[in-house]
Order: sequence, then C-alpha cells, then structure tokens
Amino acid sequence: GESVGLHLPTLSVQEGDNSIINCAYSNSASDYFIWYKQESGKGPQFIIDIRSNMDKRQGQRVTVLLNKTVKHLSLQIAATQPGDSAVYFCAENFSNSGNTPLVFGKGTRLSVIA
Amino acid sequence: DADVTQTPRNRITKTGKRIMLECSQTKGHDRMYWYRQDPGLGLQLIYYSFDVKDINKGEISDGYSVSRQAQAKFSLSLESAIPNQTALYFCATSDGSAGLYNEQFFGPGTRLTVL
Repeated sequence: GESVGLHLPTLSVQEGDNSIINCAYSNSASDYFIWYKQESGKGPQFIIDIRSNMDKRQGQRVTVLLNKTVKHLSLQIAATQPGDSAVYFCAENFSNSGNTPLVFGKGTRLSVIA
Repeated sequence: DADVTQTPRNRITKTGKRIMLECSQTKGHDRMYWYRQDPGLGLQLIYYSFDVKDINKGEISDGYSVSRQAQAKFSLSLESAIPNQTALYFCATSDGSAGLYNEQFFGPGTRLTVL
C-alpha cells in the first residue's frame, strides 16, 4: 500500500485564519515531496515542493515543513481565502534515481468558511 | 493546464464497450502517466511510460491497456468497460531529465461513466 497518508481527511477553516494540512510518510528513503491542490472539476496543480536536505520552504502564502525525524510533512497556508478551498495531496518520490512515479496520499479537503 | 490535454472530457458508455481516452502534451516531456480517481479517494496509478518504447503497469492496471503512440501522446483503453470503472481519469507528464525532482503536470481529467 501507499506509504503516504494524511492525518485529517477534512479541514474547515475560517477565512483569514491560517490552515495546516498534515501528511505522514513511512519511507525514510524518500528524497522529494510535493504538495498539490485540486479544485473541483480540475486536475491537481503543483503548489510547492521540498527536497529532503531542507526542513522548510516558503512560497507565496504557503510554507512546507519537513520533519525527517518523525517522517512528517505539513503545508501551511497563511490568511486562508475562499479560493483555497480544494483537496490537497502530498506526494513523495522515494527513488533516489527518480525512476519511479510519485506516490500520492489520499488527500485532505479544505473548506474555507466565509 | 493547457499544456496537457485530454479527450474526451466527459464520456458515458455502456458495459462491455471498448473505450479509449487520449492524452496529448506540448511540454516536451518524455514521461507520461495515467491515474484514476474515485470520489473521496486519492490518485491511483494505472500505467506509466518513461519513453516511447517503455510501458509499465501501475497499481491498478487490470482491465486497462495503454499505447504510447509518440512522445506527445499516451492513450488509455478500457477493453470491456464495467460499471466499477466509472471514475475520473487523469493524464500527467514529467521531465525525466529532472531526475529525482520530477514534478508531474496534470491534465484536466476525463469523467467516465459506465452504465
């Protein structure tokens, strides 16, 4: 089965608050992680990625944190907006050669309450 | 993402029919993938191809076949469609030269209903 999982299948957040979406992985050899956002009726879209030699990476309103000690990945969204409502997937690549497809978690649905 | 297109976007068919879903990309990527997504679930890999002569089974390949006609085209066939193949189907591409850091780019999806 997949090594990537999510702690919370659904998350409701008040508009303007910060959101934190969590992901656990079991393969300590995983070297690359990606967060995807999937809006209703659309394909997943890349949000941010992080390599295993980093523990934090920031984008526009998003931050990904990687804790290799406990094999945990999180996506933080600052000042959550209605447009952030979507399903969020984490994905990992545990092939150090890049010759295996990404493994996706089951996703967390983020609902933003206006 | 207009760089990865899928046809048709929606399809309703009957049990036993042969169905082909097509995927084209203009990103120049060598790697292409087909995923299935059921309601409330994640993405399940059906088949993937790392170049024109390479085809690999994913976790749920039974009942499906693929053809990589060219670097830019990767089609998925359901030989004899059954109702539990009703799902959203996504095509994706990635750049093999990126090595480990191979972000995948997804198409808009095809909604398939098998009656």
